[in-house]
Amino acid sequence: ETGVTQTPRHLVMGMTNKKSLKCEQHLGHNAMYWYKQSAKKPLELMFVYSLEERVENNSVPSRFSPECPNSSHLFLHLHTLQPEDSALYLCASSQERRQGKRTNEKLFFGSGTQLSVL
Amino acid sequence: EDQVTQSPEALRLQEGESSSLNCSYTVSGLRGLFWYRQDPGKGPEFLFTLYSAGEEKEKERLKATLTKKESFLHITAPKPEDSATYLCAVHQTTDSWGKLQFGAGTQVVVTP
Repeated sequence: ETGVTQTPRHLVMGMTNKKSLKCEQHLGHNAMYWYKQSAKKPLELMFVYSLEERVENNSVPSRFSPECPNSSHLFLHLHTLQPEDSALYLCASSQERRQGKRTNEKLFFGSGTQLSVL
Repeated sequence: EDQVTQSPEALRLQEGESSSLNCSYTVSGLRGLFWYRQDPGKGPEFLFTLYSAGEEKEKERLKATLTKKESFLHITAPKPEDSATYLCAVHQTTDSWGKLQFGAGTQVVVTP
């Protein structure tokens, strides 16, 4: 148990479907992230939320829509995806330091949702 | 173009055979360099953060070092449980908070 829980673990969807990925962190952190991990490629940052406010949108297509209702929960809403969107989607959390050097010391990752788009 | 490159892509070791993984980076300014370990079917697990050239961190059989251009992850006398993909990431001073740039990883297999 890493303290970051993602559901579902696996998801298969058609290109016309609408689905949502869920992430919950039990660590009391104030920042949450969505990353995409494709086979043999580096992790790509998609979205960052700090104190429920989106502070980063890394040029992600609009068919991905994040939602952060509170500091413990993060969703990724999916609609009209393409086969190339098939990947492992990872949620992470961290504690942002408000004083001194601002850097995310440790990211705590969930186990991810393996998404297949048919 | 700023980038993070890890080598080798894959490494096969006999138990007890020490080796090193490389992470070279070209960034405009380094705020921090991170090492993570990822097991199959799981998310990455934090190992170390390094902030400045000359810094070293150790944890059990792993030791991370940092220069101005690269970082090494040394694995001393590895055991089969050290088998995993090791990821390197950098946080640049010019990047907004929370934006890490990851390398593609080195997949390590340690055989008994």
